[in-house]
Amino acid sequence: GAVVSQHPSWVICKSGTSVKIECRSLDFQATTMFWYRQFPKQSLMLMATSNEGSKATYEQGVEKDKFLINHASLTLSTLTVTSAHPEDSSFYICSARYTQGPMNYGYTFGSGTRLTVV
Amino acid sequence: DAKTTQPPSMDCAEGRAANLPCNHSTISGNEYVYWYRQIHSQGPQYIIHGLKNNETNEMASLIITEDRKSSTLILPHATLRDTAVYYCIVREGGTSYGKLTFGQGTILTVHP
Repeated sequence: GAVVSQHPSWVICKSGTSVKIECRSLDFQATTMFWYRQFPKQSLMLMATSNEGSKATYEQGVEKDKFLINHASLTLSTLTVTSAHPEDSSFYICSARYTQGPMNYGYTFGSGTRLTVV
Repeated sequence: DAKTTQPPSMDCAEGRAANLPCNHSTISGNEYVYWYRQIHSQGPQYIIHGLKNNETNEMASLIITEDRKSSTLILPHATLRDTAVYYCIVREGGTSYGKLTFGQGTILTVHP
């Protein structure tokens, strides 16, 4: 159980275009999802927290107008990289949180999306 | 910032137990310790998590010290497929929606 599906697994786009990445919880409802970015040989960096039906909470230094997050349903969150540039090329990973008990949460991760901007 | 400290790398012989340490000296009473691993170009895989008691599942065991300031992940019989980056994470509490902040992790290399 607690499976998250992330699509696409890789995408190549031209500089200046926008790219949308989807993150779906397949067998549970996820009121809270998270988006991470990972550069080569580095750890995962949290970009934002996505809450169903409300605005995302962005980490310091992450441009909210560039990385648009929509969490319109309990099973889907999307990350749109707008006006992509080569420096946005990275590995983007989503995560969904589920409840296992009072204050006891599980977190499952998608398989990631490799974005290359040319 | 990550609230944990892990050695950057460790080696282990195939078939032997791999013991991965983690220090989290500033952990609060209601904060859980999570362990994930990541194989190159994949999303992190959940291993185990715990609050204060030792935990065991089909993948590993988690030993948390009584003062909760450190923990050890034990892979009882390491295989080559266990080679990965292992992350020890203290889940933030309060109003931060319980986000997971990743540190640099430990690169575990299992040798034949």
